[in-house]
Parts: sequence; structure tokens; C-alpha cells
Amino acid sequence: AQTVTQSQPEMSVQEAETVTLSCTYDTSESNYYLFWYKQPPSRQMILVIRQEAYKQQNATENRFSVNFQKAAKSFSLKISDSQLGDTAMYFCAFMKQTSGSRLTFGEGTQLTVNP
Amino acid sequence: DAGVIQSPRHEVTEMGQEVTLRCKPISGHDYLFWYRQTMMRGLELLIYFNNNVPIDDSGMPEDRFSAKMPNASFSTLKIQPSEPRDSAVYFCASSLGPRGETQYFGPGTRLLVL
Repeated sequence: AQTVTQSQPEMSVQEAETVTLSCTYDTSESNYYLFWYKQPPSRQMILVIRQEAYKQQNATENRFSVNFQKAAKSFSLKISDSQLGDTAMYFCAFMKQTSGSRLTFGEGTQLTVNP
Repeated sequence: DAGVIQSPRHEVTEMGQEVTLRCKPISGHDYLFWYRQTMMRGLELLIYFNNNVPIDDSGMPEDRFSAKMPNASFSTLKIQPSEPRDSAVYFCASSLGPRGETQYFGPGTRLLVL
């Protein structure tokens, strides 16, 4: 079974600064997908970024980028120029290519952006 | 597009009562998922459908839980009888396809069983 670990239950950052959230996973699969979702106080789950494991290039979406280290099974999220609206719980998630569509989530990291 | 729609947004019920949660996926999405979020267990997949057919229900906790998808635009998750330990946020999500496609989540239903 796949496991996803987020070792930082809580983090805080000052507005406009950069923060990195950590995620590691355990799998024997070679092809899979990784995701970061954010869950603001509204509880809505919102996709932040998606990475295909067979792609070497790290995914980026505006201020959000990942550092994908396949050999180390690491998938960290970097948020640049943090904004107050980035305050949320962030979940790392894993999907096997062969599993159909089952997402396995980490425990989450609560990020607070301070003014 | 309106996104994934769930109803009700909040439900408070008493132990033993039947609870029905509803979901309308994004039009054109062939996959529909039901997740549950609790403090103790985090986010866990309960069941998912492809083209209205249940594919994997291994996450359904017990026989008190059942899910149906009578057509491409509607699904229900039913708990009968409900118990206090069923209190959680239940999310519905949908996606275009199976392999790595992004799952789009609804706003969730917060269920409290007294």
C-alpha cells in the first residue's frame, strides 16, 4: 500500500516571503501522479499543482512550484511571494497509474500567512 | 461550469436516523468519488464510480453505508442507521478519466450525528 507523509503539521510565513512544504511518499510503482491540494477555512478542496512522475521537469503554477525528487520519493511545494489568501491546510496526494483513480492523501500541513 | 454540487451543506441528525447525501458531478466527467474527512483518519476514499458503475467500494466502512449513481448527473451516499462516529465532512469529487486526471471536489457536507 502507498503511504504519504507530511512531517510538518503546522507552518507559518510572513506575507511576501517564500515557504516550502514537505511531502514524502512510499511506493514500489514507477509510474504515478502527485498532487497538492489546498483546503482553506471554507473546507473546499482546491487543486494547487499536479506532477506526472515520468516527467523530469518540475511542475509550476504561477507562485507555486514543486521540487520532485523521484529517487528520494520527495515532492515538496514551494510558495513564493506568500499572500494572506494562501492560508490553508495543504494536502499532498498520490495516485498510482494502475489503480484507476484512488488518491492517497497525507495528513496535511496547516500553513498560516502572517501580515 | 458550476463545479461539483453537493447537498445539503450541513446535516445534523440523531443516532439511528437515515442520512442521504447528494452529489452532482461536473458535466462530462465519467468518474465520481466519495471521500470522508475526519480528524482521526484524515481524507479517505469510500467509493468511486465509472460511467455510473461502482468500481471500488473497498473504503466503505460497513453495511450501513451505501452509494448509488442512477445516472451520469446524480449520486447519493446513504447511511442507515447513522451513528455518532459517522460525524465527518463528506466530499464528492469528479474527474474526466482514470489515469492521473485531476479530481475536482465539491464543497462538502458536514454531518453531525448526535
